[in-house]
Amino acid sequence: DIQMTQSPSSLSASVGDRVTITCQASQDISNYLNWYQHKPGKAPQLLIYDASNLEAGVPSRFSGSGSGTDFTFTISSLQTEDIATYYCQQYDILPYSFGQGTKLEIK
Amino acid sequence: VQLLESGPGLVKPSETLSLTCTVSGGSIRTYYWSWIRQPPGKGLEWIGDIYYTGSTNYNPSLMSRVTISLATSKNQLSLNLSSVTAADTAVYYCARDPNYGGTHAFDLWGQGTVVTVSS
Repeated sequence: DIQMTQSPSSLSASVGDRVTITCQASQDISNYLNWYQHKPGKAPQLLIYDASNLEAGVPSRFSGSGSGTDFTFTISSLQTEDIATYYCQQYDILPYSFGQGTKLEIK
Repeated sequence: VQLLESGPGLVKPSETLSLTCTVSGGSIRTYYWSWIRQPPGKGLEWIGDIYYTGSTNYNPSLMSRVTISLATSKNQLSLNLSSVTAADTAVYYCARDPNYGGTHAFDLWGQGTVVTVSS
């Protein structure tokens, strides 16, 4: 199975800050990497697919980059509504697998 | 399109967990459909999926205990997980994977249903 390692596991930042989360795959997964936002009690939401493509309707402050084994997810200017846990997910090889999550809090 | 999971919230150890996901506002006769779970305090785990043709893929860690099926006339997909233990306690989600251009991403999720395994 492909292991996905996210860092940090938690992050505290101020409104307006630039926030970056990294995700590392245990082997080359090309750009077969998605990012999700998950708020407590709600359904997870797809934000980025294929490493860098913004899902329709998602604010442009969210972005993703990377390929191979190393990926980055960025919020350019943190808003209060961005408080959530963020997950990366690979789909290069079955079984699909997720990172352990990064919990984002407001400082 | 909306997805709604349903099923018993409490299952006894060694019994079979059975959940249903009802798809409303769209047809289940397209796309891939997955089950994903989140144990308390842990991350997301993909359980398996089913294509509208009935073809399935399962996580090897659960393969011996999992069955995913479609009831197209009811626009539903189902999950059966046998011989459950406390480790199967989790929030269970169904999710849609349109597989646009070969991408497997979950673009629509249900709200999730909590299942506790306890005697």
